[in-house]
Amino acid sequence: AQSVTQPDIHITVSEGASLELRCNYSYGATPYLFWYVQSPGQGLQLLLKYFSGDTLVQGIKGFEAEFKRSQSSFNLRKPSVHWSDAAEYFCAVGALKYSSASKIIFGSGTRLSIRP
Amino acid sequence: GAVVSQHPSRVICKSGTSVKIECRSLDFQATTMFWYRQFPKQSLMLMATSNEGSKATYEQGVEKDKFLINHASLTLSTLTVTSAHPEDSSFYICSASVWEGTSVDTQYFGPGTRLTVL
Repeated sequence: AQSVTQPDIHITVSEGASLELRCNYSYGATPYLFWYVQSPGQGLQLLLKYFSGDTLVQGIKGFEAEFKRSQSSFNLRKPSVHWSDAAEYFCAVGALKYSSASKIIFGSGTRLSIRP
Repeated sequence: GAVVSQHPSRVICKSGTSVKIECRSLDFQATTMFWYRQFPKQSLMLMATSNEGSKATYEQGVEKDKFLINHASLTLSTLTVTSAHPEDSSFYICSASVWEGTSVDTQYFGPGTRLTVL
């Protein structure tokens, strides 16, 4: 069965510092990987996704993620965080399906706080 | 990206009543929508997959008679919480699958509905 682990429950970084959020997945076939961000009381916004091609994926808001098959990881990075990046970040994995909707499983989330 | 709306954004109801939550795809057609539930400070748990014109597929442990899902059109799915009780209080989020020029879909999420059952 597929699963996603986000080992860090809460991370605090200083504004302007770099950020890396960890995500490890378990999936027997080719995974379809996502990072979503959720502000308090809001729905989820897609930051980026990966299913094939270049293993370094660029997303919105200056985020990027790198797929490492050997480590079963899909860590999210940003070179310089802004106070507006404070939010909950979810990594998710789905079955890669072509031409039918992919059911995805979410990790437990990492809450990011920004220190002024 | 594609826009998904939910209505209402929050609802308070008395125990024993039923509540309907709407999920709409605003600028695209969605043959498949998903319904999730999120408890405070927790992750999203998939409740069911809603396919237009057919019965929803529920995840293990989700009561299909309690959480009625109807996907009557390509832009609207509804979740009805029947005979709601305080333990049904939660944040309900829907998503819709979109194919954006690729052979794989992307889920776009609605803003969520906060249900409080008194």
